[in-house]
Formats: sequence, structure tokens, C-alpha cells
Amino acid sequence: DGGITQSPKYLFRKEGQNVTLSCEQNLNHDAMYWYRQDPGQGLRLIYYSQIVNDFQKGDIAEGYSVSREKKESFPLTVTSAQKNPTAFYLCASSATGGGNQPQHFGDGTRLSIL
Amino acid sequence: RKEVEQDPGPFNVPEGATVAFNCTYSNSASQSFFWYRQDCRKEPKLLMSVYSSGNEDGRFTAQLNRASQYISLLIRDSKLSDSATYLCVVNKRGTVSSNSGYALNFGKGTSLLVTP
Repeated sequence: DGGITQSPKYLFRKEGQNVTLSCEQNLNHDAMYWYRQDPGQGLRLIYYSQIVNDFQKGDIAEGYSVSREKKESFPLTVTSAQKNPTAFYLCASSATGGGNQPQHFGDGTRLSIL
Repeated sequence: RKEVEQDPGPFNVPEGATVAFNCTYSNSASQSFFWYRQDCRKEPKLLMSVYSSGNEDGRFTAQLNRASQYISLLIRDSKLSDSATYLCVVNKRGTVSSNSGYALNFGKGTSLLVTP
């Protein structure tokens, strides 16, 4: 089945620790995205990538980093600089990055602070 | 004005009722519009794209009014399984001040509860 796989489903971070969230897609999509959702809030864009080896900051990139070395993979690192990392993290992809394509989501990773 | 605004609800309706959700957007250059559905603690799932002429998919009808920058979703003959949060989504194209010029703007969603 084609789709987007995020792992892990739940993740706990200690103070001062960096953690990496995995996102893999086998849809052959060019564009990939990371969002954060807080309770009762809308999705906020962290980073996006329209093509391999290229990515752009979204609206709330501070404290996060990404890489796009392979078309199918777009991992997100939550660094210790992100002071309020507890949230639901969603990875998405779209066929192209032109903004006229719907995005398809993985089932998310819930990150909490220990 | 927020980029995408929706009435948060909740909308409580009996099974079989017709319910309508509205959404307004601020960027007149936006060209792509979608409705997503999000169940509690789950990822958003695409419900339907919204086309200029309006479009229908079974019990769901979407309308776009570009002049008023307004999008609607109508659900007829509501089912219990329609209970969810409905997200209005608009593309950001044309937002020169944003780094995310080619991404999507998500509304906070409208909560629907269909009761027996």
C-alpha cells in the first residue's frame, strides 16, 4: 500500500536532548512537509521541501532542523533549543510543491517532555 | 484578519440533519481550496477539493465564492460517522511575506457531533 509512515507513534524527550522523528513516503511525491498541532489549535508549518536536497523554513522553524537526502525521506529533528516541544507532529507529502495539490498525511508522532 | 477563519463550533446535530460549515480566507491570490476531516487524535484526511463551479461528492457539497473569499461545506443526511473536526484549507500562493509561499494554510477546524 502506498502511503506515508511516521515513527515512532509516541516519543518522550528529556531536557537538553535532541530527538529525531522519521517520515517515509512511497508515493513518489516530490514535496514533503512537517507540521505541528497543539491541542485546540490548527496546523502550523515547521519546514517543507519541494525537491530532494532542498528545504525551506516554514512559519515556526526555530528549534527544529530537517534534511532531504532522499526523495522518500524527510526526518525532523527537534533540538534542545525548542523550549516547548510537546505537540502532535504531522508529516505530509504532495505530488508537487506548487500549493495546488492536496497533501496526504502520516498518522503522526506525539512528542512529550519527561 | 486570520488567513483562514472557521467557526469552531461545536455543531451538534441529529442523525439525518443537514449541516453547513463556512470558512473565510484573507489571501485573494489563493487558488486552491480543500476540505479535510480530522478525527480525534488522528491525522487530517482529505475530504474533497473545492472547485470554482462548486462540486459534490455523495452527501457532501462544496462551494467557493471568490468575490467574498468564502468557502462552504454542506453535509446532507448526517451520519454518526460524520462526527469529526472539519478543516478548511487554502493554499498560500501569493503571500510575498511568507517563506512558505507554496504550502497550505489550515483553519483551526469546525467540530461536528452527530447524535442518534
